[in-house]
Amino acid sequence: DAGVIQSPRHEVTEMGQEVTLRCKPISGHDYLFWYRQTMMRGLELLIYFNNNVPIDDSGMPEDRFSAKMPNASFSTLKIQPSEPRDSAVYFCASSPWDLRTGQPQHFGDGTRLSIL
Amino acid sequence: DAKTTQPNSMESNEEEPVHLPCNHSTISGTDYIHWYRQLPSQGPEYVIHGLTSNVNNRMASLAIAEDRKSSTLILHRATLRDAAVYYCILTGGGSNDYKLSFGAGTTVTVRA
Repeated sequence: DAGVIQSPRHEVTEMGQEVTLRCKPISGHDYLFWYRQTMMRGLELLIYFNNNVPIDDSGMPEDRFSAKMPNASFSTLKIQPSEPRDSAVYFCASSPWDLRTGQPQHFGDGTRLSIL
Repeated sequence: DAKTTQPNSMESNEEEPVHLPCNHSTISGTDYIHWYRQLPSQGPEYVIHGLTSNVNNRMASLAIAEDRKSSTLILHRATLRDAAVYYCILTGGGSNDYKLSFGAGTTVTVRA
């Protein structure tokens, strides 16, 4: 079975540019999550969707960040304009049900983002 | 949120068992105990989870204390591929029901 697919794997861009990260969840999974990992803050949840609807975006750092899920098989995380402090590894994860039922989340391999 | 406490690091020799402890003294009755691991340059990977009873799967075993205030992840025969950061996380019920809150985890080193 195909797992969660993220693209690109690596992105290097200059400050001020728009960055778009992409995620294809596992087919049939109703929940999609975006996480960010840095050395300083570890793994943090940014936003999650249920059935393509954003449920909680309280982890999104600021208005420069936006996420969409136009259909069940695709989601984007956009940063505009990007700043050096946005440099991190961004992970997408999906799950068939919420964690109240004990279901695990399945993670992609991440996008390593470097803002110069 | 119910918190977990893990040792910062552990070392093991290849082919030997590894016992990773986790304390969660404020766990609620409906919290699941999840274990994830993260290999270098990869995303977190689900290992195992349980509620009250001990659990076994192809990757590991999870031993849960009778009072549920602690648990132990057991890797029966460590291989070099098991070198990773292991996270013990509580989910559901009294904790955030959707969020995996990753702490610092335990860094496992396996010696050949």
